[in-house]
Amino acid sequence: DAGITQSPRHKVTETGTPVTLRCHQTENHRYMYWYRQDPGHGLRLIHYSYGVKDTDKGEVSDGYSVSRSKTEDFLLTLESATSSQTSVYFCATGGQGAKNVLTFGAGSRLTVL
Amino acid sequence: DAKTTQPPSMDCAEGRAANLPCNHSTISGNEYVYWYRQIHSQGPQYIIHGLKNNETNEMASLIITEDRKSSTLILPHATLRDTAVYYCIVRVESGAGNMLTFGGGTRLMVKP
Repeated sequence: DAGITQSPRHKVTETGTPVTLRCHQTENHRYMYWYRQDPGHGLRLIHYSYGVKDTDKGEVSDGYSVSRSKTEDFLLTLESATSSQTSVYFCATGGQGAKNVLTFGAGSRLTVL
Repeated sequence: DAKTTQPPSMDCAEGRAANLPCNHSTISGNEYVYWYRQIHSQGPQYIIHGLKNNETNEMASLIITEDRKSSTLILPHATLRDTAVYYCIVRVESGAGNMLTFGGGTRLMVKP
């Protein structure tokens, strides 16, 4: 979607290296989320943010950290990438209220060798 | 959040209506039913949502039973481009916003 940009879209890295994925939104949404998707597991929530500098853990947060220094950007960092973190990562944003549905980015495919 | 049950896969002939069922027998009174779909390799896409009443938009119709324990997503005239995984999710808005918990979904195959 034009309102959400994920970068990089594809990345290959080696075990032990740090990796940062960026999600940028132009929707001025309060909430932002990072999911990962693996075969056989579907989409699982890693971390989410409910405002600038306000973040919380999701279902599979181990090995990941996030930061949100401004409304439009939500960063996902793998401090020391492992092969188990090879996945497709999706960012999503949403406003407040049940009628404000989530909008997803195009995804970032990360391969850790 | 209430758990949902969907068939793992369904087929539909192109041009026919696709009816995708979802069971959510433990749904609470303030939980909404959301439907999203994911076309291969793309991010999930919102389709429709509802609380009690049936809903219709340009993409689909959502039929919720009177007891709210199940629902059906209807794609009135399925096309090949509707081939995707369809997720039924029940959710109440909270301090985490509309955070969604995805299950396995239904893989819909639209065939010529």
